[in-house]
Formats: sequence, C-alpha cells, structure tokens
Amino acid sequence: GENVEQHPSTLSVQEGDSAVIKCTYSDSASNYFPWYKQELGKGPQLIIDIRSNVGEKKDQRIAVTLNKTAKHFSLHITETQPEDSAVYFCAASPYNQGGKLIFGQGTELSVKP
Amino acid sequence: GAVVSQHPSWVICKSGTSVKIECRSLDFQATTMFWYRQFPKQSLMLMATSNEGSKATYEQGVEKDKFLINHASLTLSTLTVTSAHPEDSSFYICSARDRGSQYFGPGTRLTVL
Repeated sequence: GENVEQHPSTLSVQEGDSAVIKCTYSDSASNYFPWYKQELGKGPQLIIDIRSNVGEKKDQRIAVTLNKTAKHFSLHITETQPEDSAVYFCAASPYNQGGKLIFGQGTELSVKP
Repeated sequence: GAVVSQHPSWVICKSGTSVKIECRSLDFQATTMFWYRQFPKQSLMLMATSNEGSKATYEQGVEKDKFLINHASLTLSTLTVTSAHPEDSSFYICSARDRGSQYFGPGTRLTVL
C-alpha cells in the first residue's frame, strides 16, 4: 500500500524567511496530493492541493511542486509570518481507492518574530 | 472551501458507555465521508470510509463492531464508539470530499474515564 514520508519533523524559521517541507510517496499510481495546516486542538485545514497532471501550483505565499518521476512533492511558504506556526501534513491519495488519504508524519513549523 | 461540522466538539464518558459523534457536510452533499483518529503529536490514521446507503469500509486493525458507522444521508455520517474504554480516548476527525478536494471537520475530543 501507499506510504508517505515527510521531512523535517520540526522546522524553525525567522519571520520573513521561506519554509520548505518535503514528502515522498511510494505508490506511483497516487494522483492527488493535498497539504493541510493543523492548529492545536483543531481539525486540519486544506491549504493547497495538486493533482498528478500538474507540476506546480501557487496560491499567494504558498506553492506546491510535484515530481512524479522521483515521487516527491514539496510545500513552499514564502514571507513566513508568526500565524503560519502550526503542524503541516502532506497526504497522498492512491488511485481508485475511493479518495482515501494516506498522511505523512507532520512537520511542526515555528515562525519566530 | 466546503464546510464540515462535527458534534460534539468534546465528550467525557465513563468506561463501558457508548458515544455517538456526528459529522455533517454543511454546504455540499457527500456520498463518501472518512473517519480518522489522531493521538497527541501524531499523524492522522484512517479508520474507515463511510459510504452513503451502504456499509462502511474499515481499515485493517479497526474493529467494526466497536466503531459503528452509519451514513444515512448525503450530509450526515455518524461514528459510535461502543463500550468505550480509556484506550479509546483520542481526537476523532471526519472528512468529506467536495469536487475532488477533501475537507475536514473540527474534530471531537473523546475522553473515557
């Protein structure tokens, strides 16, 4: 089955710097890759997603890149702000399995003012 | 994005009792909903896929007789934890798909004494 590895587990950056979180997946048939932000005690919030027919997607300060050949995808946050501090999860959706998501282990991002 | 609600947001119960958690899609219809479980500082683990009008599909290792799922309408899925024990204490989160993207509810914190 699908397996998703996420790195780093913790990331500390200075306000205004960029943050990059990377994930690799094992099932080459996976075709949907969302990223979620989770604040303490709350449910995950979808921040951006990408499908396997697209290499890059951007939404304001957030971008995701996908390399299907290498089976990895990355989240890029530019001009980080203290309110970006949270746990970020990547996920992969295996093809033809009803849309279920397999999650990475999470990255705790801390943005220092 | 689409909105998913959960009720209750937290519940405390005695060991041996049953607890029902509701998951609703507020502004869209969802033929498929998902139930996840999350322990502190860990990732989300898929428990089961809830299908409207049919039986749920459980992930390996999840007891279907303990975690009863009912998806009676296109906007409501319920998870009942039967004969709850302290080891069932966790954060339960549901999600639903809208136009290919998956949105999560705010979660339910279950504490079994």
